[in-house]
Amino acid sequence: EAQVTQNPRYLITVTGKKLTVTCSQNMNHEYMSWYRQDPGLGLRQIYYSMNVEVTDKGDVPEGYKVSRKEKRNFPLILESPSPNQTSLYFCASSRRLADTDTQYFGPGTRLTVL
Amino acid sequence: AQSVTQLDSQVPVFEEAPVELRCNYSSSVSVYLFWYVQYPNQGLQLLLKYLSGSTLVKGINGFEAEFNKSQTSFHLRKPSVHISDTAEYFCAVKSNFGNEKLTFGTGTRLTIIP
Repeated sequence: EAQVTQNPRYLITVTGKKLTVTCSQNMNHEYMSWYRQDPGLGLRQIYYSMNVEVTDKGDVPEGYKVSRKEKRNFPLILESPSPNQTSLYFCASSRRLADTDTQYFGPGTRLTVL
Repeated sequence: AQSVTQLDSQVPVFEEAPVELRCNYSSSVSVYLFWYVQYPNQGLQLLLKYLSGSTLVKGINGFEAEFNKSQTSFHLRKPSVHISDTAEYFCAVKSNFGNEKLTFGTGTRLTIIP
């Protein structure tokens, strides 16, 4: 089954404690992306990756890092989380950037930073 | 640059009544338009899309949308809603020139009243 998986699904942490949210897709997609969803703000792109070892900033990259060492994985790293990063995070993938309208979305990770 | 405005953050509708969710966009170039649905505790799914051709687009679950270039709108409609339509709906836009990313609206929460 084609899918995007994220772990963990729920996470409560404290300010400054480094964390990683994993994202994996099994469709051999080149393009992967991270979004955060906040009430009244919709989905905003954090980072995206066109292919292995190719990443770029989205609209709200501050406080986040990503890596793309393998095609299937695209982890989101928060080196020093702060309360304003409390949000719902989605990973997504598509065959190419040109196909982002048919992105597959993961189930989401709800992060709370105290 | 492109942007999307969803005028209504919340829309309550009685079951079996019709519904219209409004979406307006702004872009200096031609665009593709999309509606996504997010059911509770799930990621986004593509509901329908307008790429070219007929301005009336039919999607899954009985939804349709009409592209109106002069009014820069892409409103989503359903003639008779069901409890299962309770979800958040996102309008999105993408330039049809080159490899542009999707820009999402802020979302409209549709609540169906029994």
